[in-house]
This record gives sequence, structure tokens and C-alpha cells, in this order.
Amino acid sequence: DIQMTQSPSSLSASVGDRVTITCQASQDISNYLNWYQQKPGKAPKLLIFDASNLETGVPSRFSGSGSGTDFTFTINGLQPEDIATYYCQQYNNLPGNFGQGTKLDIK
Amino acid sequence: QVQLVQSGSELKKPGASVKVSCKASGYTFINHALSWVRQAPGQGLEWMGWINTYTGDAMYAQDFTGRFVFSLDTSVSTAFLQISSLKAADTAVYYCTRSRDETGYPYAFDIWGQGTVVTVSS
Repeated sequence: DIQMTQSPSSLSASVGDRVTITCQASQDISNYLNWYQQKPGKAPKLLIFDASNLETGVPSRFSGSGSGTDFTFTINGLQPEDIATYYCQQYNNLPGNFGQGTKLDIK
Repeated sequence: QVQLVQSGSELKKPGASVKVSCKASGYTFINHALSWVRQAPGQGLEWMGWINTYTGDAMYAQDFTGRFVFSLDTSVSTAFLQISSLKAADTAVYYCTRSRDETGYPYAFDIWGQGTVVTVSS
């Protein structure tokens, strides 16, 4: 199975900050990488698919990049409503494992 | 409106079985693969496996073989997750989720059910 390692596991940032989360795959997954947002008590929400494609309706302050084994998720201009846990997920090989999550809160 | 609506919370005793439903609406059910995802209390997301809604073929992640069964009733656009011989460790929120594209393969998950809480306790 492909292992997905996210970092950091948690972070605090101020409104307006640029926030970056990384995800590393244990082997080459091309661009088969998604990013999800999960708010407490809610189902996850797809933000980015195929490493860098913004899902319809998702604000443009969210972006993703990378290919192969190293990926980055960025929020440009953190908003209070962005407080959530963020997960990466690969689908190059089944099972489509998720990263362990990054919990983001406001400083 | 495209949505997945899951059945309500369940409280079961160890050793019992549970069947969770996931009803789709607003799109052609058989065109999008369905996956199941587990989230134990305070933990992350675990992809349990998926079912091809056109063929009915199911694939299970290694930790979800044996006691877990995915099934369909395409006449009512509904998928099911059945768990047998329940253990306390099965206590979790279970989500169904749709693949974004129409390849029949579990790629990005764009529509999620609201989650079903299954609690296993004596």
C-alpha cells in the first residue's frame, strides 16, 4: 500500500496568512492526489483534485501543486471559515489511502 | 440536487450486525462508483473500499475484508454497507461517497453522505 505522510499534523495561523500543508507519498503517484476539508461534525468536502485542479465552487484562495511524491496545499489569505482539518488522498493505486490530516486553527 | 442521504444512527451490541443505507438522488446512480469511508472517534479518514455501481463488483481494503459487505439496489439508487460480528472497535462514523467522474473507478470523491454513526456497546 502507498503511505501518505502529511505535515504538519496541526498548525495555528492568523487571518490573512498564507498557509501551506505538505503531503508526501511513499512512491510515485503521478498527479493522482486530492485534498479535502473537514469541519467538525461534517462530512469531508473535496477542494482540489488531480493535485492542482480546483473543484467547482471552491474559493480561489485554495490551491494545490506537485507531482510524483511531493505535494503542497496552500491557502492564500486564511479566513475564519477555513478552520478545519485537511486531508490529502492518493488514488494512483488502491487502496486510496488518506494522509493522517492537518488540523488548522486560528492563532 | 445531487446528494447522498444515509440512514440514521445505530446502537448495537457486540456480535450483532448492522446495515447502513446510502440513497442517491439527482444523478444517474450507475454512472459513478461509490466508496465507503470510516472515521473512528477523533481519528482520520480510512477508505474501506468501493463498489462499481454498474456491475456490482466490490473491492475491499485489507482491513475491511470478511465482516464487511457492500451491496446495491439499483432500482432505488441505494447502496448498502453491512457489518457483521460487530466489535467495539467498529464504533465510528461511516460515510458513503461518490466518485467525481464516470469511469466506474474511485477517483476524487465529490459528493458525500452526511455520515452514519454506528456505536457498538454492551
